Amino acid sequence: SAVISQKPSRDICQRGTSLTIQCQVDSQVTMMFWYRQQPGQSLTLIATANQGSEATYESGFVIDKFPISRPNLTFSTLTVSNMSPEDSSIYLCSVSLSRTSTDTQYFGPGTRLTVL
Amino acid sequence: AQRVTQPEKLLSVFKGAPVELKCNYSYSGSPELFWYVQYSRQRLQLLLRHISRESIKGFTADLNKGETSFHLKKPFAQEEDSAMYYCALSGMGGGSNYKLTFGKGTLLTVNP
Repeated sequence: SAVISQKPSRDICQRGTSLTIQCQVDSQVTMMFWYRQQPGQSLTLIATANQGSEATYESGFVIDKFPISRPNLTFSTLTVSNMSPEDSSIYLCSVSLSRTSTDTQYFGPGTRLTVL
Repeated sequence: AQRVTQPEKLLSVFKGAPVELKCNYSYSGSPELFWYVQYSRQRLQLLLRHISRESIKGFTADLNKGETSFHLKKPFAQEEDSAMYYCALSGMGGGSNYKLTFGKGTLLTVNP
């Protein structure tokens, strides 16, 4: 298994600002993922964070809005840029221990973001 | 496109009663199905996956390709089973098939 921590656990931000969320894993992992869970909705994959290369974004998500860094095999950040109230969500980091993410994914505790 | 449907947003049963949480999926290839659970104030965690064919905490789920379903069942519900349950789907074989698609979740409440 893997133990994942996220910082911050929650934040309240003003419209137009940006927030960077950190995800730290206690072991080296190949695949890291970022999800968004809007109020009353399910989890939606934002992107896959690839170590040493650019993140792979899902349809509807773009790098300018959600830039991602993956400097090593244990750490990743997601930035929510130029925030609006519609960005109010829980953001979750997850990891897979194998090279194919059909393996079990382990989730962080989430970051609850409120944009005013 | 991948899609997972959980038709029940809320499900309430009494302790000792059988419980079934429904999950239907849409996927053109060979799917891999999962059930994830989130207990109150805990993080999302895997409950079971169809490829393992295990029973976890008394729960079982059988992949029915004909009905494109992966319903979660337990013969005798316990109060500690109260949680949010998410059905999820991934394509098999890695590569671009790996994406996990989640249903909207079912909140199970087991009453004493």
